[in-house]
Amino acid sequence: AQKITQTQPGMFVQEKEAVTLDCTYDTSDQSYGLFWYKQPSSGEMIFLIYQGSYDEQNATEGRYSLNFQKARKSANLVISASQLGDSAMYFCAMRVRGSQGNLIFGKGTKLSVKP
Amino acid sequence: KAGVTQTPRYLIKTRGQQVTLSCSPISGHRSVSWYQQTPGQGLQFLFEYFSETQRNKGNFPGRFSGRQFSNSRSEMNVSTLELGDSALYLCASSLELGGNPTDTQYFGPGTRLTVL
Repeated sequence: AQKITQTQPGMFVQEKEAVTLDCTYDTSDQSYGLFWYKQPSSGEMIFLIYQGSYDEQNATEGRYSLNFQKARKSANLVISASQLGDSAMYFCAMRVRGSQGNLIFGKGTKLSVKP
Repeated sequence: KAGVTQTPRYLIKTRGQQVTLSCSPISGHRSVSWYQQTPGQGLQFLFEYFSETQRNKGNFPGRFSGRQFSNSRSEMNVSTLELGDSALYLCASSLELGGNPTDTQYFGPGTRLTVL
């Protein structure tokens, strides 16, 4: 069975500092994708970044980077230079090949950015 | 490109009623997935539609159903509403080219359903 674990229910970070949100995953499939989404209080799920299981380089998108360690089955999100607008829930999700439409989500981490 | 749209944004219903939620995917996306989000259970997959066919279904009772139209727009229906159906219902669309697991799902703003 596939599972995503996010062990940090809540985190605080000072504005302009970097922060790492942890995510570990469990799957026996060799082909999978890992995703991070941001959910502000408005409710919309905003896609941030993804990593394919066969990608050798860590994904980066602007201030977001994904620290992918396949052997440890971890896919941590790093946000550099935090901004007040980064305060939100962050969800790690996984999808395996053949699982049409089925993203498996972790329970999320609530990030609060302090001025 | 316009993003995923969902209507209505908010709904209040009473137990026993039924409700229909609508989702319009990003232009060109043929797959639409639905998720239920509650504080207790988190985000749970409901079902996925591709080319008007349900290809995958999560572990929800038969009161939850859906369909997809030829223009890829999708609706989900919940019959005989229960208090526990109160949730944020999110729909997501993706290209779904060949079942690639890195096909990104893009979400709409959600419909917040309250059952009284």
